[in-house]
Amino acid sequence: AQKITQTQPGMFVQEKEAVTLDCTYDTSDQSYGLFWYKQPSSGEMIFLIYQGSYDEQNATEGRYSLNFQKARKSANLVISASQLGDSAMYFCAMREGGYSGAGSYQLTFGKGTKLSVIP
Amino acid sequence: AAGVIQSPRHLIKEKRETATLKCYPIPRHDTVYWYQQGPGQDPQFLISFYEKMQSDKGSIPDRFSAQQFSDYHSELNMSSLELGDSALYFCASSPGGVGETQYFGPGTRLLVL
Repeated sequence: AQKITQTQPGMFVQEKEAVTLDCTYDTSDQSYGLFWYKQPSSGEMIFLIYQGSYDEQNATEGRYSLNFQKARKSANLVISASQLGDSAMYFCAMREGGYSGAGSYQLTFGKGTKLSVIP
Repeated sequence: AAGVIQSPRHLIKEKRETATLKCYPIPRHDTVYWYQQGPGQDPQFLISFYEKMQSDKGSIPDRFSAQQFSDYHSELNMSSLELGDSALYFCASSPGGVGETQYFGPGTRLLVL
């Protein structure tokens, strides 16, 4: 079974509008972390936002916020006031498990959502 | 702020050749992860190191090996290259704690002809 599911292969949003990118996850661990990364067409992988499983507040970083619904196992990324530079592939990723030793926190990625911002 | 450095950024090799990819983590980051991203795919974990010791292993072929040196930089050695090894190879570094974010380098784009 897929550990990270991103059901939207591609999305379009009008400039200055808000957009939500969906991510659901599957884990039996109590301690885990969820990440969102942005990959522009140039290829680099840019960290956007992190949510720990024990965090009670939804994470926010500037125009990015993470809508974390633990019971539903979803961790949707919300981008407010979209900009042309937001056009990119967005990956949701998960780190499972509690402390297993440093260096043991490999990320499992979803298939990604390609976001296109329309002027 | 200093970022993860990877070299080379682009590499073209022939089948059966060898390649060495280098990664310089963010200063004071002691943990390095390697990922492989095939065309149109999501990144797949290969191997990780903490304090110069291998800490975890993913879907890394036996033809590949890696190590982390005393200055914390890491090298991924790839031998007997195959066409299917053509991919974007990322190195990511983190301070090593449980919830710590992995920061990715710009990647090395390997093309095997």
